[in-house]
Amino acid sequence: KQEVTQIPAALSVPEGENLVLNCSFTDSAIYNLQWFRQDPGKGLTSLLLIQSSQREQTSGRLNASLDKSSGRSTLYIAASQPGDSATYLCAVPYAQGGSEKLVFGKGTKLTVNP
Amino acid sequence: NAGVTQTPKFRILKIGQSMTLQCAQDMNHNYMYWYRQDPGMGLKLIYYSVGAGITDKGEVPNGYNVSRSTTEYFPLRLELAAPSQTSVYFCASSYSMIDTQYFGPGTRLTVL
Repeated sequence: KQEVTQIPAALSVPEGENLVLNCSFTDSAIYNLQWFRQDPGKGLTSLLLIQSSQREQTSGRLNASLDKSSGRSTLYIAASQPGDSATYLCAVPYAQGGSEKLVFGKGTKLTVNP
Repeated sequence: NAGVTQTPKFRILKIGQSMTLQCAQDMNHNYMYWYRQDPGMGLKLIYYSVGAGITDKGEVPNGYNVSRSTTEYFPLRLELAAPSQTSVYFCASSYSMIDTQYFGPGTRLTVL
C-alpha cells in the first residue's frame, strides 16, 4: 500500500528565506510525483509534475527533486515571499486491485512572514 | 476556458436530505474524480470515472453515488445526508491517472 508523508505539518519562515518542503512515499514504483498548492478555502493548483525518470523539475522560484530509490521528494522555494503562504501537498499515482488513485500527503502549511 | 467548475460553493443540509453536487470540465479530459477533504485527514477519493459511462469506487464511496453520461459532467449524489458527510468536496479532472489533475474550487457542505 502506498503511503505519502509530509513533514513538517507546518512551517513559518521570514520573508526572503530559502526553504525546503519534504515528501516521502513508501512504494518507490511510481510513475511521477506531483506538487500542489492550496490556498485557504480554495481548490488545489498543480505546481510541478516530476516524472519518475527525472531527478528535478523547475518552475520559476520552485524546484522539485525526486529520489525514487529513497522514496523522497523535496520542493525548494527560493527567496520566499508572503504570497507563497499556502498549504503544499504532494501526491503520487497508485494502482491497486484494479483501482487507480492519486495518493496525497496531508500537506505542509507554510507561512511566510513579512 | 473555465477549467473545472463546481456548484454550489456552500450548502447546509439537514440530516436525511439529499442533494447533487455538480461538476463540469471543458478540457475534454477522460478522467474525473470526486474527493472529500476533512481537517487533518487529507484528501480522500470518493469516486472516479475514466470516461463517459464508466465509474468506479474510490476509498470512501459509502453514502454517495455518481453518474457520467457525458465527458463534461460528473455529478455526485448524496442520499440521506449524515453529519459524517460534513466536508469540503473537490472535483478534479485529468487526461489520465498519471497526468496533472486540475481541481475545481470546492463545495463546502455542512450536514446538521
